[in-house]
Amino acid sequence: QVQLQESGPGLVKPSETLSLTCTVSGGSINSYYWGWIRQPPGKGLEWIGYIFYSGSTNYNPSLKGRVTISQDTSKNQFSLQLTSVTAADTAVYYCARYTVVVPGYNWFDPWGQGTLVTVSS
Amino acid sequence: DIQMTQSPSSLSTSVGDRVTITCRASQNISSYLNWYQQKPGKAPKLLIYAASSLQSGVPSRFSGSGSGTDFTLTIRSLQPEDFATYYCQQSYSFPYTFGQGTKLDIK
Repeated sequence: QVQLQESGPGLVKPSETLSLTCTVSGGSINSYYWGWIRQPPGKGLEWIGYIFYSGSTNYNPSLKGRVTISQDTSKNQFSLQLTSVTAADTAVYYCARYTVVVPGYNWFDPWGQGTLVTVSS
Repeated sequence: DIQMTQSPSSLSTSVGDRVTITCRASQNISSYLNWYQQKPGKAPKLLIYAASSLQSGVPSRFSGSGSGTDFTLTIRSLQPEDFATYYCQQSYSFPYTFGQGTKLDIK
């Protein structure tokens, strides 16, 4: 059974770079798509982006080019970097496997437990 | 971006009730619609994919229906563990977007 676990700093200063890693166990990242979703405290969910094992990526335009998702297949991990953070980037960040059956029929499952990242000086 | 609007935003219900949550898309998304359940402090969990397909391991009291712009999630005979927040999500086009959530409270 595939499990995902986020890790990284819980506090980031404004204007700096948020960096998180998702470690996948119980399965290889050398298949499927892998994504990041975030949830500001008390608010709804926002899709950040995904990476395919081939290395191709897709990002939410709302993040205005600040986001990069990469992978390390030797460690079975994928990572999120978000630059120039502000308080608006404070959120619980989730990683998830992104299953694609055919274009359009795709969903996030399973999810990691999430990690709270606070942007504050 | 496709806007997803859920109604109601919150609902006070009782164990044993039949509950229906509605999700409306701002444009036709065919059946590219998923439903998730989120409990406090936990990650969302996939319940329904492709509008009406039940994810493995999810109780059969959950069902989904709809296509185009209007979708529903129905919980037949609400159980204590079902009190949570429910989100719809469209997978028709990028960026993927979620509804604002529907919170089920105990009456």
